[in-house]
Amino acid sequence: DIQMTQSPSSLSASVGDRVTITCRASQGISNYLAWFQQKPGKAPKSLIYAASSLQSGVPSKFSGSGSGTDFTLTISSLQPEDFATYYCQQYYSYPLTFGGGTKVEIK
Amino acid sequence: QVQVVQSGAEVKTPGASVKVSCKASGYTFTNYYMHWVRQAPGQGLAWMGIINPSGGSATYAQKFQGRVTMTRDTSTSTVYMELSSLTSEDTAVYYCARDGCSSTICQGGGNYFGYWGQGTLVTVSS
Repeated sequence: DIQMTQSPSSLSASVGDRVTITCRASQGISNYLAWFQQKPGKAPKSLIYAASSLQSGVPSKFSGSGSGTDFTLTISSLQPEDFATYYCQQYYSYPLTFGGGTKVEIK
Repeated sequence: QVQVVQSGAEVKTPGASVKVSCKASGYTFTNYYMHWVRQAPGQGLAWMGIINPSGGSATYAQKFQGRVTMTRDTSTSTVYMELSSLTSEDTAVYYCARDGCSSTICQGGGNYFGYWGQGTLVTVSS
């Protein structure tokens, strides 16, 4: 199985900050990488697929980049509604696997 | 608009089975594969498998092979996930998630997630 490692596991940031989360795959996955957001007690919300393509309706403050084994999710200007846990997920091969999550908290 | 609505919470005893439903609307049901993902309390996400609503074929994660069965009913645009031989380790929130790419474009599905159901809490306790 492909292991997905996210860093950091948590971070504290202020409203307006630029935030970057990284995700590393245990082997090359081309651009078969997705990101999603989850708030406490809620279902995940898909943000990005194909490493950098925004899902319909997702604001452009979210962006993704990377290919191969190293990927990043950037939130350009953190807003109160962005405080949540973010996950990456590879879909290069079965079983689909997820990173452990990055919790973004208010500083 | 696309909606994916799951059945309600379940409480089961060890050794029992549970069947969770996921009703889709707002799109052509047979054009998008459906995934099942679970999230145990305080733990990460685990992909359980995928079903093709058109033909009914399913692929399961090895971890759940032999215990999980995914089916669909095209007359009601509903997919089902049944998990048997439950233990306390199966206590989790179970999500269905519509694939992000139409099977008319992505043969076999895109394998990333588009729309998620609201989740179904399954509690296994004696």
